[in-house]
Amino acid sequence: DIQMAQSPSSLSASVGDRVSVTCRASQSISSYFNWYQQKPGQAPKLLIHGVSNLQSGVPSRFSGTGSGTDFTLTISNLQPEDFATYFCQQTYSTPPTFGQGTRVEVK
Amino acid sequence: QVQLQESGPGLVKPSQTLSLTCTVSGGSISSGDYYWSWVRQPAGKGLEWIGRVYTSGSTNYNPSLKSRVTMSVDTSNNQFSLRLSSVTAADTAVYYCATERVSLSPRGHYFGYWGQGALVTVSS
Repeated sequence: DIQMAQSPSSLSASVGDRVSVTCRASQSISSYFNWYQQKPGQAPKLLIHGVSNLQSGVPSRFSGTGSGTDFTLTISNLQPEDFATYFCQQTYSTPPTFGQGTRVEVK
Repeated sequence: QVQLQESGPGLVKPSQTLSLTCTVSGGSISSGDYYWSWVRQPAGKGLEWIGRVYTSGSTNYNPSLKSRVTMSVDTSNNQFSLRLSSVTAADTAVYYCATERVSLSPRGHYFGYWGQGALVTVSS
């Protein structure tokens, strides 16, 4: 299985901050890489697919970059509704695997 | 817009079989637009892909669970199902059904629609 190492496991930030979450795959995964947001008691929600493609309806303050094995989710101008847990995922090979999650908390 | 809803017992005894059904609305399970998947999440932990079933009925399972998992699709009722046998407390989790979409442009493969999740507790 391809392992996804996500960092940090948690971070504290304030509204208006710019925050970044990184994910490293154990092997190259081309562009088969996605980011999800999950709020307590809710299902994960697709934010970004194919490294950098924003899912319909997702605010433009979310962006994704990266290639090969290293990927980054950036949230610019953090909003109150953005405090949540973020998961990365590879779908390059079966089984698809997820990072362990990054919890973005209020500072 | 596709909507998914999990249903099934919330409590299963150890060594028994967990059974869940996902009902699809807003689209046909036979459309071929998606693969139909199950993902689980133990409380406070990460996400684990369990497997997928295609409209044809063929399946792919996570090797870590393969010996205990069976998935099927019921096109007449627009549903797909998960069975996990010989459960233990380690199988206690929220179980999600989700769609997998493979995109050619832009190239990608992602889980676009999710059910709200069903908590299944394994306990005697």
